[in-house]
Amino acid sequence: GQQLNQSPQSMFIQEGEDVSMNCTSSSIFNTWLWYKQEPGEGPVLLIALYKAGELTSNGRLTAQFGITRKDSFLNISASIPSDVGIYFCAVRYGSKVTFGTGTKLQVIP
Amino acid sequence: KAGVTQTPRYLIKTRGQQVTLSCSPISGHRSVSWYQQTPGQGLQFLFEYFSETQRNKGNFPGRFSGRQFSNSRSEMNVSTLELGDSALYLCASSQKPGQGDYIGGMGSSYNEQFFGPGTRLTVL
Repeated sequence: GQQLNQSPQSMFIQEGEDVSMNCTSSSIFNTWLWYKQEPGEGPVLLIALYKAGELTSNGRLTAQFGITRKDSFLNISASIPSDVGIYFCAVRYGSKVTFGTGTKLQVIP
Repeated sequence: KAGVTQTPRYLIKTRGQQVTLSCSPISGHRSVSWYQQTPGQGLQFLFEYFSETQRNKGNFPGRFSGRQFSNSRSEMNVSTLELGDSALYLCASSQKPGQGDYIGGMGSSYNEQFFGPGTRLTVL
């Protein structure tokens, strides 16, 4: 089945640092999504991307839809302790959403 | 608007038993999808329902089944539980099923899936 390669698997960063994570696919997709999951909760949609090359921001978060339609990255600027969680990339085709393996982010105050 | 609600939040069962999980979508949402999340396999799609009909199914055995009611609420059932069924089961709702590909940027995050908090199932 379709696999999304997400990296890095985990990150420890200092509060205030910028963070970057990415996701690649062997297939082309026209909808890329980024979700965040905190302990004991379901994933929360952060950013949705629909156009190749598109750069979209949501507060301190910025995501880009790769021009080849096979990749996407998510940047978090000036990290704060509440950014802790697992970040998932995902692609949607029709109703089916396929998730990446996740990037576990830990922020050191 | 209230979010997606799932009941129960936690459940402990023994091997061989069956279990039913419930999901109430966001008001106005008619599509409900179910996912299984485990440390080893990550988030995996189980099935999706719209208008009381199963539209898509993931690669899970027949022991996993679901249904949707006329008010869009959904249930999933797992029969003959196995130890490996221990997982977080997540329900997600959207206004309508995904419309294929939004080529050229026609999509809207308003139509994407919104998740509930999940039901943590432990099989002993």
